[in-house]
Amino acid sequence: GQQLNQSPQSMFIQEGEDVSMNCTSSSIFNTWLWYKQDPGEGPVLLIALYKAGELTSNGRLTAQFGITRKDSFLNISASIPSDVGIYFCAGQLEDTDKLIFGTGTRLQVFP
Amino acid sequence: ETGVTQTPRHLVMGMTNKKSLKCEQHLGHNAMYWYKQSAKKPLELMFVYSLEERVENNSVPSRFSPECPNSSHLFLHLHTLQPEDSALYLCASSQDYGGEQYFGPGTRLTVT
Repeated sequence: GQQLNQSPQSMFIQEGEDVSMNCTSSSIFNTWLWYKQDPGEGPVLLIALYKAGELTSNGRLTAQFGITRKDSFLNISASIPSDVGIYFCAGQLEDTDKLIFGTGTRLQVFP
Repeated sequence: ETGVTQTPRHLVMGMTNKKSLKCEQHLGHNAMYWYKQSAKKPLELMFVYSLEERVENNSVPSRFSPECPNSSHLFLHLHTLQPEDSALYLCASSQDYGGEQYFGPGTRLTVT
């Protein structure tokens, strides 16, 4: 079945560092979404991407829709303690319109 | 505030109890979803409703029973659960099936 490989699984970084994470698949996607989940809460939509090659920013966050339409990247610049949480990618499959989720990247930021 | 609310936020129930989780969306969306999130596991899609019709049922045990009385409300009825059913249950909605999903805060369920 279709799956999204999200990496890394976890990251431990120092405040002020930049962060990169990505999702890859063998399937083709029409849309890529990036979510953040704080402990005990539901995921919150951060960025939505609709076109191959699209680069979109939301404050210190930047995400890109891969040109092959099989991957997406999320970068966080100058991390701060409140960036702590789990980041999920989600992709809408081209053939079924079904949205599938990555396994998440757990981010820890140390002061 | 995402426009999707869930009640209760926390629930502890015994294996013989019957309880229901409620989700309400104020976004005018046509599709609603139930997910199960266990520790260190990916989000598991349980049920999807689009225009009040169930469109997906992903091999979920019959002790979980969804109900969608209208496009704004979604319930998950629980009975004779097992301890391994303890998890965070998330509701989400989207404008149409497959679109951007907006999540509620979840119900933390503990089965004793």
